[in-house]
Amino acid sequence: ILNVEQSPQSLHVQEGDSTNFTCSFPSSNFYALHWYRWETAKSPEALFVMTLNGDEKKKGRISATLNTKEGYSYLYIKGSQPEDSATYLCAFMDSNYQLIWGAGTKLIIKP
Amino acid sequence: DVKVTQSSRYLVKRTGEKVFLECVQDMDHENMFWYRQDPGLGLRLIYFSYDVKMKEKGDIPEGYSVSREKKERFSLILESASTNQTSMYLCASSLGTSGYNEQFFGPGTRLTVL
Repeated sequence: ILNVEQSPQSLHVQEGDSTNFTCSFPSSNFYALHWYRWETAKSPEALFVMTLNGDEKKKGRISATLNTKEGYSYLYIKGSQPEDSATYLCAFMDSNYQLIWGAGTKLIIKP
Repeated sequence: DVKVTQSSRYLVKRTGEKVFLECVQDMDHENMFWYRQDPGLGLRLIYFSYDVKMKEKGDIPEGYSVSREKKERFSLILESASTNQTSMYLCASSLGTSGYNEQFFGPGTRLTVL
């Protein structure tokens, strides 16, 4: 059974601080790794789709890294703002093209 | 703006009722998906479709069926709703079959079965 683990489950961060969290996935049959942000009462939205070992992607203050050999990805948020409060989901895609989702990291930014 | 819409945000049904959840996308995407999301768990795939009139079972298809008569519309049917189907249901669509393509989600339907 393929498993995707996200840690921590939830996180409280002071506004202005930087933070990061982890997505762990199987290191075999890797095809792609997706990150999504899901704000309350909104639809989940894609942040990054990562495919290459060592890949780094950035969107504004949010960036992600990928290590397919050891099976983990980090998501970093620099200078957290209240609008960053959301649940961050990662999903692993293997060579069968099915996405296996983590349970998410719930990020709460304290003003 | 790309859009995936779902017919209801909140729905309350009684045990044994037949329930229809509708999803429409306006992006001409080939792929459409139905997930359910429960506390502490990742999204779980119920059914997906790669083309009109085509459907594939996901990880948890029991108690559900789907219909895709038109490319833009993918319906999830609960033939006889049960309390363990109380959940958040999310519809998504994506372009093509590549894993590199992001999924676009609807806002979700929170279904309560009494």
